[in-house]
Amino acid sequence: DVKVTQSSRYLVKRTGEKVFLECVQDMDHENMFWYRQDPGLGLRLIYFSYDVKMKEKGDIPEGYSVSREKKERFSLILESASTNQTSMYLCASRTGQVYNSPLHFGNGTRLTVT
Amino acid sequence: DQQVKQNSPSLSVQEGRISILNCDYTNSMFDYFLWYKKYPAEGPTFLISISSIKDKNEDGRFTVFLNKSAKHLSLHIVPSQPGDSAVYFCAASGISRNTPLVFGKGTRLSVIA
Repeated sequence: DVKVTQSSRYLVKRTGEKVFLECVQDMDHENMFWYRQDPGLGLRLIYFSYDVKMKEKGDIPEGYSVSREKKERFSLILESASTNQTSMYLCASRTGQVYNSPLHFGNGTRLTVT
Repeated sequence: DQQVKQNSPSLSVQEGRISILNCDYTNSMFDYFLWYKKYPAEGPTFLISISSIKDKNEDGRFTVFLNKSAKHLSLHIVPSQPGDSAVYFCAASGISRNTPLVFGKGTRLSVIA
């Protein structure tokens, strides 16, 4: 069974801090994604990666960056956290070998920026 | 502009009755559709999918119907159970293999015992 693990369930950070959210998957998936979920706005794509060292902007990349140095790990970085980045962050992965393979999500990180 | 729309933010249904969750899309290039279910404090989990070459796919209590001409799909849950109470997201894909899924905003289903 696919396991997507996000390093923290809850985080509280101060405005202006640099924040790292880590995600690891154990199924050798090529594609990895970062979403945020906010009430009334659904799931919005921040960044995604087709494979190691590759990254693409999603719908709301401003204020974020990502790193994919190893296939199993996809990190989301908040360069200077702001209160409007308080949200639930969800990492997901899927194989790139099968057309329309479903996404597998981690359990999320609830980030609060004060 | 939203390409995948779930126009009902919430839905309440009595236990044992049918739940119908609706989803509309605008991009005719989409050819594969998925439903995800999300409980609070957990990540979404894949529920059921349908290819555009079909108009119905069934898995136990869950059935998804696709009307391509209307660009509309629906998820039917029969019979509804209290454990089905969750947020349901409709998603679409198909433009290319590496194109991310496009999600709707979700519908919160409450099944009342």
